[in-house]
Amino acid sequence: DTEVTQTPKHLVMGMTNKKSLKCEQHMGHRAMYWYKQKAKKPPELMFVYSYEKLSINESVPSRFSPECPNSSLLNLHLHALQPEDSALYLCASSQGSIPQNIQYFGAGTRLSVL
Amino acid sequence: GQSLEQPSEVTAVEGAIVQINCTYQTSGFYGLSWYQQHDGGAPTFLSYNGLDGLEETGRFSSFLSRSDSYGYLLLQELQMKDSASYFCAAPERYSSASKIIFGSGTRLSIRP
Repeated sequence: DTEVTQTPKHLVMGMTNKKSLKCEQHMGHRAMYWYKQKAKKPPELMFVYSYEKLSINESVPSRFSPECPNSSLLNLHLHALQPEDSALYLCASSQGSIPQNIQYFGAGTRLSVL
Repeated sequence: GQSLEQPSEVTAVEGAIVQINCTYQTSGFYGLSWYQQHDGGAPTFLSYNGLDGLEETGRFSSFLSRSDSYGYLLLQELQMKDSASYFCAAPERYSSASKIIFGSGTRLSIRP
């Protein structure tokens, strides 16, 4: 099973709402990632968790709050977002090892902030 | 840090061969990966080159030249389903984790 599952697939929220994105993998991967992707752009790394600990935060605004409850689950909590935060949010997992670090991506959550 | 550059768009004919180039600048380099992403879909891993030379996987091949800081993805016998965006990517190591840096992406359009 090489599947990464993300829910929901689509999300519309107002700027005052609080919502959460969820990601799950059962490949035993030790690293999990959140990316943001705008149209016609490459995925932009937001956070990296390694062994359930936040290892990399790419200077993401605090209105995005990641959480890793266990080795299979990754959440992204959203609060007071701006319209410019509308994008495709991708979760990925990998063994985390150099050199290849092959990443397996979920289908993403398409977020619209009104 | 690393940066990877690709052409933004490439157009080719069904059944033909196309090459997508990637040049990189890096302070530490392990190898080069390629990912495919269809519109509305997730990126999927295609290939990895850790050493110089050609790696072949079915209709797709990938090449790396470390001395030239250059790689390419070669797609043969193009099919309409190959229309997608293609990203080269390079891993970076941090003290407790690693990440990959994506290139700017190449949108491949296939014409009948």
